[in-house]
Amino acid sequence: DAMVIQNPRYQVTQFGKPVTLSCSQTLNHNVMYWYQQKSSQAPKLLFHYYDKDFNNEADTPDNFQSRRPNTSFCFLDIRSPGLGDAAMYLCATSRDPGRANGYTFGSGTRLTVV
Amino acid sequence: GESVGLHLPTLSVQEGDNSIINCAYSNSASDYFIWYKQESGKGPQFIIDIRSNMDKRQGQRVTVLLNKTVKHLSLQIAATQPGDSAVYFCAENRGGETSGSRLTFGEGTQLTVNP
Repeated sequence: DAMVIQNPRYQVTQFGKPVTLSCSQTLNHNVMYWYQQKSSQAPKLLFHYYDKDFNNEADTPDNFQSRRPNTSFCFLDIRSPGLGDAAMYLCATSRDPGRANGYTFGSGTRLTVV
Repeated sequence: GESVGLHLPTLSVQEGDNSIINCAYSNSASDYFIWYKQESGKGPQFIIDIRSNMDKRQGQRVTVLLNKTVKHLSLQIAATQPGDSAVYFCAENRGGETSGSRLTFGEGTQLTVNP
């Protein structure tokens, strides 16, 4: 019954080697979000898609990119991972703008950079 | 910059006691607040929310209080159980209908329930 699915749960990548994290949803929600959560810190919004419209946060590094080929899928691309990019990456979806109880989070992908 | 933050990083309570987790916010324009529970290795789980036109909202064993005068939010958990042990985040909902709502999270409080 998983509704927001993130793959893989754990990802190990080499320093500087591009990596892609994926998120899929079965909820048909129109908004999809990517958050970065470092150890013992709060989730930090990187960017989100409202339908096909991409909305980047002002302080999100250019190293982070995203794609949303259709309603169900959204990808997070890290072009050149650094050690500081090791974190849990959370995908979330929502249906109705402004209705926070419409948010659904995935279980996250924990990224390790070696 | 404006942010949402928590007063205490850790809270330890005895099983059966009531827990109170606090949060201060600084964005007076925000009209919607949410409490999330996050267990180790999992994504945030929605607990309860409250709009700024309300002072109090109750759920099952949980109550959220909002004091707009001092920009303070609290989560009360009644009869705390071991399964309540987790990190609790308050979050501020912002954004409009044309770009989608966005959440800004506070720093989190680690709640530990002792048997």
